[in-house]
Amino acid sequence: SQQGEEDPQALSIQEGENATMNCSYKTSINNLQWYRQNSGRGLVHLILIRSNEREKHSGRLRVTLDTSKKSSSLLITASRAADTASYFCATAVGGTYKYIFGTGTRLKVLA
Amino acid sequence: EAGVVQSPRYKIIEKKQPVAFWCNPISGHNTLYWYLQNLGQGPELLIRYENEEAVDDSQLPKDRFSAERLKGVDSTLKIQPAELGDSAVYLCASSSGGGPDTQYFGPGTRLTVL
Repeated sequence: SQQGEEDPQALSIQEGENATMNCSYKTSINNLQWYRQNSGRGLVHLILIRSNEREKHSGRLRVTLDTSKKSSSLLITASRAADTASYFCATAVGGTYKYIFGTGTRLKVLA
Repeated sequence: EAGVVQSPRYKIIEKKQPVAFWCNPISGHNTLYWYLQNLGQGPELLIRYENEEAVDDSQLPKDRFSAERLKGVDSTLKIQPAELGDSAVYLCASSSGGGPDTQYFGPGTRLTVL
């Protein structure tokens, strides 16, 4: 079973626009990570946010975490065609380092 | 630094045949994961190793799946016999371990069972 649910399932935007995707989870967590997966490839780690953090930035990426709502969001600013990929959140269930991935958001950036 | 290596990249077999996947993690990474990814879904953990010990294999269907990580480095995941529903991508990942950590994924093996 998958603990995380990403929303929306699919997103199509124009190059230069911002893309926001959300992740909701069910149980307490140690940390939450976001990964990107290009078609036919393995996953690439983007950013990790710990349960005691509320916001984190990395280049054009901004991640927020609201543990009271059990949700996180990933914002990609000034999107590029190369950002076209599936994005997954992964949560480490509280007290363990067992990572559970969400269902993914398929982002398409149109040039 | 070399990434996680998996082989083969693609495998097509008949149902009821055995199949094995191999993974070489990043040098020095103590933690190794095997995931299964169905089309349009996120990866699902099959087994996690800390060195040569399987510390979480609760999701591994042990009637037909087996895994080993001899000497705490390379790992092999085996399915015997394969069923039609096993068609998926099998991903291997590694991390340095010891806490919440970035996982580095290999390219995966795409298995098709006919």
